Amino acid sequence: QVTLRESGPALVKPTQTLTLTCTFSGFSLSTSGMCVSWIRQPPGKALEWLALIDWDDDKYYSTSLKTRLTISKDTSKNQVVLTMTNMDPVDTATYYCARIGYHGIDYWGQGTLVTVSS
Amino acid sequence: EIVLTQSPGTLSLSPGERATLSCRASQSVSSSYLAWYQQKPGQAPRLLIYGASSRATGIPDRFSGSGSGTDFTLTISRLEPEDFAVYYCQQYGSSPRITFGQGTRLEIK
Repeated sequence: QVTLRESGPALVKPTQTLTLTCTFSGFSLSTSGMCVSWIRQPPGKALEWLALIDWDDDKYYSTSLKTRLTISKDTSKNQVVLTMTNMDPVDTATYYCARIGYHGIDYWGQGTLVTVSS
Repeated sequence: EIVLTQSPGTLSLSPGERATLSCRASQSVSSSYLAWYQQKPGQAPRLLIYGASSRATGIPDRFSGSGSGTDFTLTISRLEPEDFAVYYCQQYGSSPRITFGQGTRLEIK
């Protein structure tokens, strides 16, 4: 059974760095073809893709946010970490981690709401 | 950079009716990497269709996908009450690696 769970602070102050951890089970990120991605959704708005890391440790970032994002993985712990620097109130959103398998984004975490406010 | 534009923004229909949702890409998208998702309030999205036309595991056959190149369609043949939700198309592969459309809200008329 594949599961993913996001963890991190619910509240961060403007200019701070956000660190989110995705802990997953039921698959290995060292298996060819597997990827884990971060996606966010501001309240009442559309999904926005942020970053992706694949089984070969290749990393891809949103064009508009790539200067602020870093994604990494710890295969032994089944974790993927996303850091986003210089947080702003417009970054308030639910942040999802998700698995990209052979047929799209097939498993999602429940999401974690991050509010940026002083 | 590929942009996905979904139409209409909101679709108002009654249970039993047929729903047709459109997704248009700014550049050609490989059909292998076009997917559709359903999202209900307070829930994470759920994969409905991958490869433009293949149903994900457990998805009822009233959901179907079609299209190629820059024009893709999600069709729900006979709407059930649980189908009223927001639907997103998504492409994977071309730069940027992943793009979502802005969503179509399917509401009860």
